[in-house]
Amino acid sequence: SQTIHQWPATLVQPVGSPLSLECTVEGTSNPNLYWYRQAAGRGLQLLFYSVGIGQISSEVPQNLSASRPQDRQFILSSKKLLLSDSGFYLCAWSRGGASGRGTDTQYFGPGTRLTVL
Amino acid sequence: AQKITQTQPGMFVQEKEAVTLDCTYDTSDPSYGLFWYKQPSSGEMIFLIYQGSYDQQNATEGRYSLNFQKARKSANLVISASQLGDSAMYFCAMREGRDDKIIFGKGTRLHILP
Repeated sequence: SQTIHQWPATLVQPVGSPLSLECTVEGTSNPNLYWYRQAAGRGLQLLFYSVGIGQISSEVPQNLSASRPQDRQFILSSKKLLLSDSGFYLCAWSRGGASGRGTDTQYFGPGTRLTVL
Repeated sequence: AQKITQTQPGMFVQEKEAVTLDCTYDTSDPSYGLFWYKQPSSGEMIFLIYQGSYDQQNATEGRYSLNFQKARKSANLVISASQLGDSAMYFCAMREGRDDKIIFGKGTRLHILP
């Protein structure tokens, strides 16, 4: 079965510090990978998604970046955090490939709660 | 225009009653998928149920069913015999055609009262 891991679970960082959040998926190959941010009491905002190694699509211009150095690893980074970067960051995966995209469910990791002070 | 609309920001329901959470969607793609997720206070997003645009029957998963009305572009989630553990945020979502992205609604916070 497939599992998705995120770490750290919680993080408190000062403004201007760098950020690195990691997400890994087990039990599948060539997944589509996604980073979302959820502000307190709000819905999900898609930040980045990737359909393969080195292929990153950005949805929202911001000071965040994403990388996919390995097939099942997705990293969210920032060089200098802003107060507005605080939130709950969720990584998700779905089955990759060209067929059946309309039916492919996204499965989420446990999330990272980031507080920028 | 919003692709997914959830008009109920919050709902209070008595335990053991049935609950209907509303969701309408907007797409011109004939092929799409509709999803419902549950987010308890722990923050994890739990997949509940899926409905494909070409599915002839409404999807069901245990106590969850999806009332799919294609002509009205409506995909309401029905929870039968609600339980205290159903208290959570519920998100409706849609994936269009061969798009890799899923679009989420703003969610409905459901409170089950003892």
